[in-house]
Amino acid sequence: GAGVSQSPSNKVTEKGKDVELRCDPISGHTALYWYRQSLGQGLEFLIYFQGNSAPDKSGLPSDRFSAERTGGSVSTLTIQRTQQEDSAVYLCASSSYSSGEQFFGPGTRLTVL
Amino acid sequence: RKEVEQDPGPFNVPEGATVAFNCTYSNSASQSFFWYRQDCRKEPKLLMSVYSSGNEDGRFTAQLNRASQYISLLIRDSKLSDSATYLCVVNIHTAGGTSYGKLTFGQGTILTVHP
Repeated sequence: GAGVSQSPSNKVTEKGKDVELRCDPISGHTALYWYRQSLGQGLEFLIYFQGNSAPDKSGLPSDRFSAERTGGSVSTLTIQRTQQEDSAVYLCASSSYSSGEQFFGPGTRLTVL
Repeated sequence: RKEVEQDPGPFNVPEGATVAFNCTYSNSASQSFFWYRQDCRKEPKLLMSVYSSGNEDGRFTAQLNRASQYISLLIRDSKLSDSATYLCVVNIHTAGGTSYGKLTFGQGTILTVHP
């Protein structure tokens, strides 16, 4: 079956612009996660959705970052007024339950000029 | 102190060698433990879960020491295809429950296996 998909695969934007990154999780997976990985760094947790529960937003670095998950499926990560330090690969993952194996999408490589 | 710490390496070993990676975690509330593998410019993929009794999957052996808050991964008979970054991953379960499922990743250990 289809894995986790993300779009766009690459995004180049100018400082100060807003960007939206999309994640389509594996069908039926109730848990969805966003991470980011800067060059040469480990993965940094951003936000976690589990079913209809309130999301865990504890990893969002600033109020410029927000995420939604509509209908318990597709998720959008929005970064407002992008800064150069936002440049990273943004990875989405989903799992069939909250402690299960997380399957990652290919990521969106964001470059802020 | 980082929640999950790994020796970043790089480890450069010849084919056939045995190599071990270590990882420590700081939060004793940690519930689940994993090793993920990440190839260059690719997404991470689960290599194996780590169980309290230790577990083996072919050439790979994972160990967990809860008392010392220490996890290890042993790779025997290294192959060229084992070259990758190995990520130590911990699931920290907070009392509130909302962080259940949130994974905390180590920085990764780079392994290069050469002919």
